[in-house]
Amino acid sequence: QKEVEQDPGPLSVPEGAIVSLNCTYSNSAFQYFMWYRQYSRKGPELLMYTYSSGNKEDGRFTAQVDKSSKYISLFIRDSQPSDSATYLCARGYSTLTFGKGTMLLVSP
Amino acid sequence: DTGVSQNPRHKITKRGQNVTFRCDPISEHNRLYWYRQTLGQGPEFLTYFQNEAQLEKSRLLSDRFSAERPKGSFSTLEIQRTEQGDSAMYLCASSASLRTGNTGELFFGEGSRLTVL
Repeated sequence: QKEVEQDPGPLSVPEGAIVSLNCTYSNSAFQYFMWYRQYSRKGPELLMYTYSSGNKEDGRFTAQVDKSSKYISLFIRDSQPSDSATYLCARGYSTLTFGKGTMLLVSP
Repeated sequence: DTGVSQNPRHKITKRGQNVTFRCDPISEHNRLYWYRQTLGQGPEFLTYFQNEAQLEKSRLLSDRFSAERPKGSFSTLEIQRTEQGDSAMYLCASSASLRTGNTGELFFGEGSRLTVL
């Protein structure tokens, strides 16, 4: 079992929809979780960083960690075509382990 | 531009040739990481440096791969005798020291894409 599992998608939604992206992880030793966004042929950029259970909100983005079920979620409200990208979840502290990424397509 | 800089952005080479990639991190960051990403996969950790010391290497880093950071600033990743399986995006990232109480978040460069024919 890979340490971080993520559905590769693609996930297609209309503009304005609420998007839910999910990851599961297997190693409980690390308590730091991140979401990165990666546009095609670009490097990943950090979206959200959390180190505890519960929710963390930043603008249209909300990261949620449920350590009891080892589940990580990213919610995007009022999705925009510019949100079309691959979303990578990662866990770790210093060296990160990434999921495969979920491709999101937001249509106008 | 004060972000992580990588060169070249794209390298096409023939199997068996050597290639070298360069990474210039964010100037105040003392940690530097190399990751590899293939199509449809997330980045995979290769190695990282704190200042000039190489502190960890992944088992993915075969003997044909060598990374250096001679003065604790820029870093190079060399691949000798390239194979078609080496074709990937090589990503460099940097972060500030975890001792300063920061979150240790990684800032990635645009990547160097390697195509081995």
